[in-house]
Amino acid sequence: EAGVAQSPRYKIIEKRQSVAFWCNPISGHATLYWYQQILGQGPKLLIQFQNNGVVDDSQLPKDRFSAERLKGVDSTLKIQPAKLEDSAVYLCASSWNGGEETQYFGPGTRLLVL
Amino acid sequence: GESVGLHLPTLSVQEGDNSIINCAYSNSASDYFIWYKQESGKGPQFIIDIRSNMDKRQGQRVTVLLNKTVKHLSLQIAATQPGDSAVYFCAEIPSNFGNEKLTFGTGTRLTIIP
Repeated sequence: EAGVAQSPRYKIIEKRQSVAFWCNPISGHATLYWYQQILGQGPKLLIQFQNNGVVDDSQLPKDRFSAERLKGVDSTLKIQPAKLEDSAVYLCASSWNGGEETQYFGPGTRLLVL
Repeated sequence: GESVGLHLPTLSVQEGDNSIINCAYSNSASDYFIWYKQESGKGPQFIIDIRSNMDKRQGQRVTVLLNKTVKHLSLQIAATQPGDSAVYFCAEIPSNFGNEKLTFGTGTRLTIIP
């Protein structure tokens, strides 16, 4: 079974530029998550999708971050404009139906904002 | 606020010895706990999980113990190998309907000494 795929793996941009990350979840998983992991910390949930609908985006900085999952499969996360403090690893995860079940993570995209 | 924390940020263990990684949680509504392993440059990898109606669960070389009285979780790794070197996170999901958010602790870095 293929795992969660993410691209790009690394990205370096200057502050105030925009950037987009892509995620392809495990086939059949209805729930998709985006996490931000700052160096030395555990992942923090940014947004959760159930199929193509948003379940929880309470911790997403909506003035600069946006995410979509239009067809209920792939998802993109965008930052515009980026700030220095956005430097982190952005992890995508998926699970069958959300709730109390295991989430499977992709390799992440490491973002450096200069 | 509610949090999942770890007692020790780093742990060094001789190869072949057993290791124990501890985790304290504060959300009494937590119903499901997961241990993840994260190697450098990779996303968190599921190791083992346990639900609140159990106090012990065993996997291959790993055992998770749950003490709900003192809100404590531990991960035991038997006969450690160099490949066990990684950061280990405990994570919890509360049973509060509509707030089933996976919350990670800071992590413990386990180093296996050859």
